[in-house]
Amino acid sequence: NAGVTQTPKFQVLKTGQSMTLQCAQDMNHEYMSWYRQDPGMGLRLIHYSVGAGITDQGEVPNGYNVSRSTTEDFPLRLLSAAPSQTSVYFCASSYGVVVGDTQYFGPGTRLTVL
Amino acid sequence: EDQVTQSPEALRLQEGESSSLNCSYTVSGLRGLFWYRQDPGKGPEFLFTLYSAGEEKEKERLKATLTKKESFLHITAPKPEDSATYLCAVQERGGATNKLIFGTGTLLAVQP
Repeated sequence: NAGVTQTPKFQVLKTGQSMTLQCAQDMNHEYMSWYRQDPGMGLRLIHYSVGAGITDQGEVPNGYNVSRSTTEDFPLRLLSAAPSQTSVYFCASSYGVVVGDTQYFGPGTRLTVL
Repeated sequence: EDQVTQSPEALRLQEGESSSLNCSYTVSGLRGLFWYRQDPGKGPEFLFTLYSAGEEKEKERLKATLTKKESFLHITAPKPEDSATYLCAVQERGGATNKLIFGTGTLLAVQP
């Protein structure tokens, strides 16, 4: 199993540009989520999904969209990039939606918005 | 407001010098507490899950314990390869599914 994969690893955008961060898992996990990690702050939840076709907002959803058309993929879209979205983005997944299921993280995408 | 606080922010140890990292939390009810290890430029790697006060789990030189208000990650006779940032996260009882609330981490450096 490849686990949780993310592409690209690095990305530089100009203010106002849009892009999609890709996340895929091959473990047949129902639950997937996106976090951002900023210096001096803990990982913060952006959006999450409890299964194909079902998504919901986390703590910091503004400026981001998600969709879940398949179990395997959970892309994160930046609609109009802003410098405040400069961060490291992590995707995570877990087998079920039962509280306490271990979440496994991808390697991250480092995004810089100029 | 629910919070997770980790201390110290940074810790420097000599190889073989045992110590503990602290994670204190304030949530209305705890469903689970998670410890992760994060190496530079990589995603968090799962270490332990603790569910109830008094529970302990061990893995190699690491031992995690849980009380009603805090968790400790004890590191016994650390080696340089234990150098990493250690993250603590909690899941709140009654919270939405698998939402995790993370602390800011403890940066551990073990010198040979």
